[in-house]
Amino acid sequence: SAVISQKPSRDICQRGTSLTIQCQVDSQVTMMFWYRQQPGQSLTLIATANQGSEATYESGFVIDKFPISRPNLTFSTLTVSNMSPEDSSIYLCSVGPLTENYGYTFGSGTRLTVV
Amino acid sequence: KQEVTQIPAALSVPEGENLVLNCSFTDSAIYNLQWFRQDPGKGLTSLLLIQSSQREQTSGRLNASLDKSSGRSTLYIAASQPGDSATYLCAVRGNTGNQFYFGTGTSLTVIP
Repeated sequence: SAVISQKPSRDICQRGTSLTIQCQVDSQVTMMFWYRQQPGQSLTLIATANQGSEATYESGFVIDKFPISRPNLTFSTLTVSNMSPEDSSIYLCSVGPLTENYGYTFGSGTRLTVV
Repeated sequence: KQEVTQIPAALSVPEGENLVLNCSFTDSAIYNLQWFRQDPGKGLTSLLLIQSSQREQTSGRLNASLDKSSGRSTLYIAASQPGDSATYLCAVRGNTGNQFYFGTGTSLTVIP
């Protein structure tokens, strides 16, 4: 399965600022996914990042708030813009299976606290 | 829309016990189901993947079963250890697209 390096692992940010989270994959993958996990909740898909095209956002998430870049097949960034305390969550990137024998692989997560 | 539920929400057991975690889903048209482990404040570690055509998968002390027709999966942990303490999540992938639906998680505490 793929190995994902995600950073930063955690950060404390002031409200109104922005944070960019990076994910680097050790294999070329077509799709990368970004999830949010609010405190005490399960994971919610934010968007699917495709190389060479605009990201596809799920209902309730917009590009102005969560811009995504996907410059190549091994890298993606998610920016959390104009942050408020409600954005305090764990953000995770994920890639789909390289073959059908493998499931989805997740990064180690970014724990964001907005003060 | 697929809904995934996990019962119980929290479980506390003494070390050495065998235990079962439950996962149910509303739409049986799934591609596969995956069990994950999440340590506090961390990312997800994949434990087992079951394809829709399979009935079970085993890895060490873990055994996951799938009954697609009834919309259920179980994760069996044998001889639990304190290091097994974590939140366990199940997730199902639908037959179309790449949407992955996560359960609500079971928080497991194994008491030494």
